Amino acid sequence: NAGVTQTPKFQVLKTGQSMTLQCAQDMNHNSMYWYRQDPGMGLRLIYYSASEGTTDKGEVPNGYNVSRLNKREFSLRLESAAPSQTSVYFCASSENGRAIDTQYFGPGTRLTVL
Amino acid sequence: DQQVKQNSPSLSVQEGRISILNCDYTNSMFDYFLWYKKYPAEGPTFLISISSIKDKNEDGRFTVFLNKSAKHLSLHIVPSQPGDSAVYFCAASEGWGQNFVFGPGTRLSVLP
Repeated sequence: NAGVTQTPKFQVLKTGQSMTLQCAQDMNHNSMYWYRQDPGMGLRLIYYSASEGTTDKGEVPNGYNVSRLNKREFSLRLESAAPSQTSVYFCASSENGRAIDTQYFGPGTRLTVL
Repeated sequence: DQQVKQNSPSLSVQEGRISILNCDYTNSMFDYFLWYKKYPAEGPTFLISISSIKDKNEDGRFTVFLNKSAKHLSLHIVPSQPGDSAVYFCAASEGWGQNFVFGPGTRLSVLP
């Protein structure tokens, strides 16, 4: 039981390049989330998927797109990376997206955009 | 403007003593609060939560206190252990869902 896995662990991009961050969970959870964490700031929600087939914007969605590929997988795409997107990205999942449900986080992807 | 604040970026405590981490919020509509713990190079892990209908929740060495009138919550760790050294995030949400707002975190160091 791996929980929430993320690939890659590290990535360096040049401005304007694109990439997709992958996330998968094996807990049969309905809800999945993408956050970014910047120095001196808490985690900020980029996008979430309350259930398979749905996605919604969070606090900081600009510059990102997401795909809920199936119940297990939720990917985050940067179409044209910018230095402001240098951050650590965390994927999370929870059973049903209720406040009382525990969110389980992946280990993170450290992205640097030059 | 940050809706959830953790005004102490870091805290050092001797092993065996009490650690008190503080969190303040500005949105009076928040009704569910959580603490997460994060080790370097790992994702955050859930620690403890409290609903706005309560003023205290306890789980082993961890207790969270909520003062709604002051819009303040605190996490007490007793006794503190070196393995508790981590960054602690406070988070809050409004309503049914998980649109959490996180504080910037407090780095706790428990000294042997």
